[in-house]
Amino acid sequence: DAGVIQSPRHEVTEMGQEVTLRCKPISGHNSLFWYRQTMMRGLELLIYFNNNVPIDDSGMPEDRFSAKMPNASFSTLKIQPSEPRDSAVYFCASTEDTLDIQYFGAGTRLSVL
Amino acid sequence: AQSVTQPDIHITVSEGASLELRCNYSYGATPYLFWYVQSPGQGLQLLLKYFSGDTLVQGIKGFEAEFKRSQSSFNLRKPSVHWSDAAEYFCAVVERGSNYKLTFGKGTLLTVNP
Repeated sequence: DAGVIQSPRHEVTEMGQEVTLRCKPISGHNSLFWYRQTMMRGLELLIYFNNNVPIDDSGMPEDRFSAKMPNASFSTLKIQPSEPRDSAVYFCASTEDTLDIQYFGAGTRLSVL
Repeated sequence: AQSVTQPDIHITVSEGASLELRCNYSYGATPYLFWYVQSPGQGLQLLLKYFSGDTLVQGIKGFEAEFKRSQSSFNLRKPSVHWSDAAEYFCAVVERGSNYKLTFGKGTLLTVNP
């Protein structure tokens, strides 16, 4: 398996623009996680899906952030409108069992100017 | 408050030297414990995990970690460091009952000198 695939790897956008980050989990995994990594706050869980259903979105910063998982092989994290403070590396991870190993993608480095 | 603490932000060791990275947690009940490694520009990779049983856990790449309940610690060790071990290391916990929510420490950056 190719692992968790995230796209794009890098995204540079201007404040106010819409940004969509994409994730393809490992085939057969039923849990998917979105994380954000910043120098100040470290790694934070944004949202967790199980069987394509959002279970916990308490980490989503505000209404500008939304995440979807229309099927078992695809998820998106959208920021609209984007702000400079959203600049971070966003990781997607998937797992077959919620207490098992989480496999991380390589991340998307987002820069909002 | 519940927390995961990695006291050392940055550690430098010489190649071939031993390594110990510290991790302390503050939870009511012993959480599930993990160590992840992040190489530059990459995602995180699991090194090892502790749920119960033997308090000395073996992981990949020659790493091991010891759970000490009395000290609320889960320190990562390696007897002889290789240059390829240079990376950032994260201790993480899942609170029992939560079953999924990984809470990460702030990480320890390891530099290996030749």
